[in-house]
Amino acid sequence: AQSVTQLDSQVPVFEEAPVELRCNYSSSVSVYLFWYVQYPNQGLQLLLKYLSGSTLVKGINGFEAEFNKSQTSFHLRKPSVHISDTAEYFCAVSEMNSGYSTLTFGKGTMLLVSP
Amino acid sequence: GAVVSQHPSWVICKSGTSVKIECRSLDFQATTMFWYRQFPKQSLMLMATSNEGSKATYEQGVEKDKFLINHASLTLSTLTVTSAHPEDSSFYICSAPWRGGTEAFFGQGTRLTVV
Repeated sequence: AQSVTQLDSQVPVFEEAPVELRCNYSSSVSVYLFWYVQYPNQGLQLLLKYLSGSTLVKGINGFEAEFNKSQTSFHLRKPSVHISDTAEYFCAVSEMNSGYSTLTFGKGTMLLVSP
Repeated sequence: GAVVSQHPSWVICKSGTSVKIECRSLDFQATTMFWYRQFPKQSLMLMATSNEGSKATYEQGVEKDKFLINHASLTLSTLTVTSAHPEDSSFYICSAPWRGGTEAFFGQGTRLTVV
């Protein structure tokens, strides 16, 4: 079984400030890791994913995340946020050998960007 | 990129009636689709896995007679909420895996309100 912990339910930040959204996971097998963004009343949009290779992954909208196997973390970062980044962010994992059939989501972190 | 279209985006129905939600993969074939439910300010919970040409697989605690899933073609899966009650009000999202399961695309979601 696998689980995902997003410790911060809400992260308020001022525009143009840097931000880090934390994600820790637990799994008995190797995993794929994902970050999704959800705008109000919309589906999920993939920001970035880690499948293998370089542990620093760059995604859309200026976001990046770093996979740290020893700390079982996959924190999401952006050096300078915009008002338009205000949304819910979900970290997710899936077991490497079963793809999306075992996709598990964290509870989400609401990023609130104010001017 | 691949697109998954979900319809309707919102629906209000009377208690006791049934509601059908459609999930279509627009430019790829999806032998498998997933249905999630999301309560306010909570994460996505997998309800069931829809398999083309065979019965759906339901997660523990999900009533298969209440949430009927049909996957009649390689591009369409439907979720029917039967005899809906106010507690069924939620945000329902479908997704379809792609590229051997290393990616998944999500529909826009359906906001169901039962009055």
